[in-house]
Amino acid sequence: DQQVKQNSPSLSVQEGRISILNCDYTNSMFDYFLWYKKYPAEGPTFLISISSIKDKNEDGRFTVFLNKSAKHLSLHIVPSQPGDSAVYFCAASLNTGFQKLVFGTGTRLLVSP
Amino acid sequence: ETGVTQTPRHLVMGMTNKKSLKCEQHLGHNAMYWYKQSAKKPLELMFVYSLEERVENNSVPSRFSPECPNSSHLFLHLHTLQPEDSALYLCASSPEVATNEKLFFGSGTQLSVL
Repeated sequence: DQQVKQNSPSLSVQEGRISILNCDYTNSMFDYFLWYKKYPAEGPTFLISISSIKDKNEDGRFTVFLNKSAKHLSLHIVPSQPGDSAVYFCAASLNTGFQKLVFGTGTRLLVSP
Repeated sequence: ETGVTQTPRHLVMGMTNKKSLKCEQHLGHNAMYWYKQSAKKPLELMFVYSLEERVENNSVPSRFSPECPNSSHLFLHLHTLQPEDSALYLCASSPEVATNEKLFFGSGTQLSVL
């Protein structure tokens, strides 16, 4: 049973438009959420995070929104660039014990010129 | 070198072989991890080490044997693997074994078991 779900395996967006990647979770105890980006033949790299005490966190073109009541978070990329084409993983963790991220299956984003 | 380095990048092995995956981090981190990524599945945590001591073993079959000789190096010894063990194996590190720490991943070893 997956606790973190990314229901869209892929997303295609035109350059300059907004990309919205979605993530749902089932464990209401999760209190910290992260997005990682992965290019082919490379390991995932941290992109942006959000604590459950916030509903929005922004870093340049990337914004993560958290809706705790819906157990849903989303990553917005504005404007999208071809270099953003990658697989995006959502991850969640509990603020107890040690680092134990629960990952989603990823969404492949393709930004076309 | 900087970051997290994994070798080899690709590995093909038979079910009776013994091989080892190597990971080295140059970030001065105290925690290291092995993750497995199978096709269309989430990344699965396999092992966690903090200052060379194993703190988590996520019900991983004994055919996978980790070794952490020091805080900079991590190995995954493989023996008598099954075809379903074919996957991308990722090493990661973080400053401490604690939640909310961002993981730094290596590029992974793509393993194929024939």
